[in-house]
Amino acid sequence: DSGVTQTPKHLITATGQRVTLRCSPRSGDLSVYWYQQSLDQGLQFLIQYYNGEERAKGNILERFSAQQFPDLHSELNLSSLELGDSALYFCASSVGGGRSQETQYFGPGTRLLVL
Amino acid sequence: AQTVTQSQPEMSVQEAETVTLSCTYDTSENNYYLFWYKQPPSRQMILVIRQEAYKQQNATENRFSVNFQKAAKSFSLKISDSQLGDTAMYFCAFMTMDQFYFGTGTSLTVIP
Repeated sequence: DSGVTQTPKHLITATGQRVTLRCSPRSGDLSVYWYQQSLDQGLQFLIQYYNGEERAKGNILERFSAQQFPDLHSELNLSSLELGDSALYFCASSVGGGRSQETQYFGPGTRLLVL
Repeated sequence: AQTVTQSQPEMSVQEAETVTLSCTYDTSENNYYLFWYKQPPSRQMILVIRQEAYKQQNATENRFSVNFQKAAKSFSLKISDSQLGDTAMYFCAFMTMDQFYFGTGTSLTVIP
């Protein structure tokens, strides 16, 4: 158990809908990262927040957005969902500034199925 | 562009034997960090080992060790005394200051 929690574990929805995935980092960690793992794309970095501010951006679609709240939990919002958005979404956290020397600890993931 | 290549989609090893998983990467950066993550059937991502690029000494963590060849941009993982619990997908990851790249993974099966 990494100490990172993600809810929900599973999510089934329809195309065109909007969903919110939630992540609570390990106690004391200030950085949160979001990743998408799909069958054909492997693990893709989406976005990173540090202490409430966006720190780094990867291959995140415009239909997706994220934020980190004052209590440091983070939410990933996925809208206008398409079949191809079906994937496992991971959240990870790290201790401090979130630079590359930080080890990231991953949550159990949220499995999203878009029908 | 930065890329991470794991050229072995699947591997198997007999229990108690040693296996090496390959990883190569491409970058123009000088400061970066390399990681191996394990993803068992539960799908959770678990850190196995990390290596700082500025360190010449290869990282070791119990039965897991790496062979880091910076000039060749190679970062292989050696698992000694393989155990059934080592059966998992293994991902090599390369991280710079603000970007994080993962390979496509190697599926390792430990055979009893």
